[in-house]
Amino acid sequence: GNSVTQMEGPVTLSEEAFLTINCTYTATGYPSLFWYVQYPGEGLQLLLKATKADDKGSNKGFEATYRKETTSFHLEKGSVQVSDSAVYFCSFNAGNMLTFGGGTRLMVKP
Amino acid sequence: KAGVTQTPRYLIKTRGQQVTLSCSPISGHRSVSWYQQTPGQGLQFLFEYFSETQRNKGNFPGRFSGRQFSNSRSEMNVSTLELGDSALYLCASSLEAAYNEQFFGPGTRLTVL
Repeated sequence: GNSVTQMEGPVTLSEEAFLTINCTYTATGYPSLFWYVQYPGEGLQLLLKATKADDKGSNKGFEATYRKETTSFHLEKGSVQVSDSAVYFCSFNAGNMLTFGGGTRLMVKP
Repeated sequence: KAGVTQTPRYLIKTRGQQVTLSCSPISGHRSVSWYQQTPGQGLQFLFEYFSETQRNKGNFPGRFSGRQFSNSRSEMNVSTLELGDSALYLCASSLEAAYNEQFFGPGTRLTVL
């Protein structure tokens, strides 16, 4: 069935460190892929998306590339800030709904 | 443009009671989806409504129900509450289809005692 696998957290980094959060998916067809972010006490916000193979989504310094051959959509940022501390969810559309991964908590220390 | 709003933000109920949560989507959005978020199960899809019709449903018992009004506002109802229903309930709206970009509300934190 459809599923998303994300690396478990928490991921703890120092400010200005490089970030990678791995995400792989299992789906039929070629879905659109999303990364959502949830800050403490808030709902989810769309961070970036990619709709077809080899597309790169980017926003606020975050990037992710749609890799069809490896069914992956890893999230990267070159230099994290304390304000990036949040939970990150990888997601894709399957049928008429979104399927989410379990979320990865990122903690950035000054 | 106002975002997705959910009321109430916090709710405390006891086992056996029922509860109704409300969601107002972004103006012009016709699709409303509901999710349950818990530390153990993560984000789980409950159901999606479009033009007052339930278009998709997740794997939840019949105690969980919802509806959508002609102005696209949606409510979800949970009857005979159980301790395990304690969760953050998130509502999301999208323009036409739930599989496109969804905009989430802040959620309703339900605690069942």
